[in-house]
Amino acid sequence: RKEVEQDPGPFNVPEGATVAFNCTYSNSASQSFFWYRQDCRKEPKLLMSVYSSGNEDGRFTAQLNRASQYISLLIRDSKLSDSATYLCVVYTGKLIFGQGTTLQVKP
Amino acid sequence: DAGVTQSPTHLIKTRGQHVTLRCSPISGHKSVSWYQQVLGQGPQFIFQYYEKEERGRGNFPDRFSARQFPNYSSELNVNALLLGDSALYLCASSFGFSEQFFGPGTRLTVL
Repeated sequence: RKEVEQDPGPFNVPEGATVAFNCTYSNSASQSFFWYRQDCRKEPKLLMSVYSSGNEDGRFTAQLNRASQYISLLIRDSKLSDSATYLCVVYTGKLIFGQGTTLQVKP
Repeated sequence: DAGVTQSPTHLIKTRGQHVTLRCSPISGHKSVSWYQQVLGQGPQFIFQYYEKEERGRGNFPDRFSARQFPNYSSELNVNALLLGDSALYLCASSFGFSEQFFGPGTRLTVL
């Protein structure tokens, strides 16, 4: 079983749609949680940290459920520029990345 | 402020050769980590260094080694290259350990 599991997609959505990604992690001792965004052939960029209380940054909302060991990312009012791969990441003394979920926003 | 820088950006080597990749962290960051990313997968942890000491090592063979210098820059060395070592090698710097910022990577092709 992978330490961090994500549905690779692709998720194809129209502009303006709301889309949600989930991931699960196996190590209950994981300390910190993040979503990174990666554009094709570029480096991952930190999108946001994820907290149990939930956190929001503009159109992006992230949530952590420690009991169920899953992390979510909600994107509202999708833009063409949101098209990218979204990486779910946990820190257990090292960063463990999921495979990534590909989002394609269509006009 | 400059972000994480890596050199070279691209590299082509043949099997059996060795390679040295370089990374300079964000100013003020004392920790550097290295990752390997193959196509279609998320990055995989190779090493983390803090204050010139190895703080963690991933599941990679001894052909992979690294070091960190007094100015906090770092090198990743890979010996006896295999075709399977072809990947994007990413360096990340952090002030602490968990929130890491990545450089543009070095794309290594082994022929």
